[in-house]
Amino acid sequence: GDSVTQMEGPVTLSEEAFLTINCTYTATGYPSLFWYVQYPGEGLQLLLKATKADDKGSNKGFEATYRKETTSFHLEKGSVQVSDSAVYFCALSADTGGFKTIFGAGTRLFVKA
Amino acid sequence: DAGVIQSPRHEVTEMGQEVTLRCKPISGHNSLFWYRQTMMRGLELLIYFNNNVPIDDSGMPEDRFSAKMPNASFSTLKIQPSEPRDSAVYFCASSPGGEAFFGQGTRLTVV
Repeated sequence: GDSVTQMEGPVTLSEEAFLTINCTYTATGYPSLFWYVQYPGEGLQLLLKATKADDKGSNKGFEATYRKETTSFHLEKGSVQVSDSAVYFCALSADTGGFKTIFGAGTRLFVKA
Repeated sequence: DAGVIQSPRHEVTEMGQEVTLRCKPISGHNSLFWYRQTMMRGLELLIYFNNNVPIDDSGMPEDRFSAKMPNASFSTLKIQPSEPRDSAVYFCASSPGGEAFFGQGTRLTVV
């Protein structure tokens, strides 16, 4: 079945460091790909998305490119801030008689001042 | 729109009691999901509905769990009887197709 694998955390970085969180997926069709962010005590919220191969999603300085050839959707940010500390989830959504969203395990990011 | 609304936000109950969690999806969204989140197991999809019909309930852990969606604006997740290992945050999410919109979650503690 469809699945999402993302790098284990926690990831600890200093402020202004470069961030990469790896994500790969397995899907039988052509899913849409997403990154969600979860701040403490809150639900998940969409960070960015890409709906087809070679699309780049971007938001708040984060970006990710839908790579069909490597089945990847890695999250990057050039300069992280303390406020970026959160849990990041990679996800895919495919039409299976309704759009089922499958999430990776989540990667916790700590950013130190 | 107020977003996905879940109630209660917190629930503490004794083992063996029935627990009912409630969700109001965003109007116009035709898919609804129930997830459970724990430190040990991460975010697990329990069940999802499309147009009020259960499509996949393979994630429901056992017969003690049941979910209903009697109409497009309301869904419940019931646990009967509850056990301490059911303690978790339960999220409801709705979707128009693609992006999922999450509620704030219900933190359930079974003592």
